[in-house]
Amino acid sequence: GAGVSQSPSNKVTEKGKDVELRCDPISGHTALYWYRQSLGQGLEFLIYFQGNSAPDKSGLPSDRFSAERTGGSVSTLTIQRTQQEDSAVYLCASSSRDRGLNEQFFGPGTRLTVL
Amino acid sequence: QKEVEQDPGPLSVPEGAIVSLNCTYSNSAFQYFMWYRQYSRKGPELLMYTYSSGNKEDGRFTAQVDKSSKYISLFIRDSQPSDSATYLCAMSAPDYGQNFVFGPGTRLSVLP
Repeated sequence: GAGVSQSPSNKVTEKGKDVELRCDPISGHTALYWYRQSLGQGLEFLIYFQGNSAPDKSGLPSDRFSAERTGGSVSTLTIQRTQQEDSAVYLCASSSRDRGLNEQFFGPGTRLTVL
Repeated sequence: QKEVEQDPGPLSVPEGAIVSLNCTYSNSAFQYFMWYRQYSRKGPELLMYTYSSGNKEDGRFTAQVDKSSKYISLFIRDSQPSDSATYLCAMSAPDYGQNFVFGPGTRLSVLP
């Protein structure tokens, strides 16, 4: 079956521009995560959606970052007024369980380069 | 001190070698310990997980957790060139909700 998909796969933008990154989770998965992966760094948690509950935004690094999830499915991560330090791979993951170990299935990521 | 430490490598070994990958951590509340494998330009995929302490074996892969030392390991026997990837450890604690803490990953190259 289809896995987690993300678009675009690559995005090059100029400093100060806004960008939108999209994530299509696995159908039926209630949980959705956004992570950022920089060179030599681990995955940095950004935000977590679970069903209709209020999202856990505790990982968002600044108010320039926001995310929404429409209809409990597709999610969009928006970065406003991008900075060069925002350059990274942005990974989305989804999972179907909310107890015990919830295996997260990752998408291929969006590689963002801010010039 | 970071919550999870992992040698970034790169680690190069000949085909057939036994590989040992390790992570140390500082939070004694961690209960789930996971290893993810990430091929170049791909997202991570769950390789193995262990709950609390002990060993777990799956084919050529063995995961070990030593909670007293706050140390986890992944062993790969008879390594293959297809094992060449970045291996990330990840951990979770009950008070972290659904969030994992990831190590930076170790890049492994298995040379034919």
